[in-house]
Amino acid sequence: NAGVTQTPKFQVLKTGQSMTLQCAQDMNHNSMYWYRQDPGMGLRLIYYSASEGTTDKGEVPNGYNVSRLNKREFSLRLESAAPSQTSVYFCASSVYRGQLQETQYFGPGTRLLVL
Amino acid sequence: ILNVEQSPQSLHVQEGDSTNFTCSFPSSNFYALHWYRWETAKSPEALFVMTLNGDEKKKGRISATLNTKEGYSYLYIKGSQPEDSATYLCALNRDDKIIFGKGTRLHILP
Repeated sequence: NAGVTQTPKFQVLKTGQSMTLQCAQDMNHNSMYWYRQDPGMGLRLIYYSASEGTTDKGEVPNGYNVSRLNKREFSLRLESAAPSQTSVYFCASSVYRGQLQETQYFGPGTRLLVL
Repeated sequence: ILNVEQSPQSLHVQEGDSTNFTCSFPSSNFYALHWYRWETAKSPEALFVMTLNGDEKKKGRISATLNTKEGYSYLYIKGSQPEDSATYLCALNRDDKIIFGKGTRLHILP
């Protein structure tokens, strides 16, 4: 099993450009999450999907959209990138978010630089 | 605002010494507390999840305790080794939210 995979690993964008970060998991997990990690800020939840067909906002959703394409895939889209979105983005999955004590499994991260 | 505080932010420990650090959180409406280990250039990996007041979990030389009434958890590392160098994150589940602390960065000195 590959676990949680993310593409790309690294991306440079100009302000105003759009892009989609891809995430896939092969663990048959129901729930998937997108976080951003900034120096001194810890991990902050952008959006999550408790199950296929549902998405909800997290702590910092502004400037992002998500799509739960199927049970395996959860993408994060930046429609018009801003320098404030320069960050490292982590995707995670867990078995079932209805029971919040379950462990999350993280992808390797995507490092995004917006100029 | 739901805050999860970790202290210290950074810690240098001599190889072979034991150490511990703290995660503090609001004690009301507690659901679960997670500890993750995050090595540089890798992604966070789960260490423990604790749900009950008084919980103690252990994995090798690493152990954790939980006090939900006073709102804190301790992570202990016995006989630190170079491979323990990492950032240790705690995350609180409460009110259908998951909030991560900023982590404790542990450096093991040879």
